[in-house]
Amino acid sequence: KQEVTQIPAALSVPEGENLVLNCSFTDSAIYNLQWFRQDPGKGLTSLLLIQSSQREQTSGRLNASLDKSSGRSTLYIAASQPGDSATYLCAVSEDDKIIFGKGTRLHILP
Amino acid sequence: NAGVTQTPKFRILKIGQSMTLQCTQDMNHNYMYWYRQDPGMGLKLIYYSVGAGITDKGEVPNGYNVSRSTTEDFPLRLELAAPSQTSVYFCASSYGRGNQPQHFGDGTRLSIL
Repeated sequence: KQEVTQIPAALSVPEGENLVLNCSFTDSAIYNLQWFRQDPGKGLTSLLLIQSSQREQTSGRLNASLDKSSGRSTLYIAASQPGDSATYLCAVSEDDKIIFGKGTRLHILP
Repeated sequence: NAGVTQTPKFRILKIGQSMTLQCTQDMNHNYMYWYRQDPGMGLKLIYYSVGAGITDKGEVPNGYNVSRSTTEDFPLRLELAAPSQTSVYFCASSYGRGNQPQHFGDGTRLSIL
């Protein structure tokens, strides 16, 4: 059974710092991996999607990497801003299902 | 574009009551999903559909039913509400399997008292 783990569960960093969020999964037979952002009281917004054949994807200050063989992904956020404060979830897609991690709550200190 | 629209946004039910959570999408997506999110627990898949007329169980289907008579709509029904069903429910859709991002609604906050 696929399990997705995100470490740390919560993170506080000063504004301007670069940071890395981690995601691991137990079964490497995935179609893709997605990183989502969730603001309080809101739904999820897809940030980056990495196909299983890809190694990384970039969007603005965000960069996500995927190492399928080791079952790991990282989300790198450059020059963090207070507006980046949110919960970040990773999810892996297998068959027709998507399995989510529990998320990392990120707080950027002004 | 409206994207994925969920109604209602909030609801309080008494134990044993029934209700339907509505979800509609205007992106002509084939795949639709229902998740529940409990505090600190991530999202768990309840049911999903790969097209009109086709539904399948996810990880936590007990106590719920779905139907998919049209591409746009994917309602979730609770027949006999129980306190364990207190949660935030999210509907999502995507164009295809795995290679397209999911689009989420804003959720329905449901309390069973």
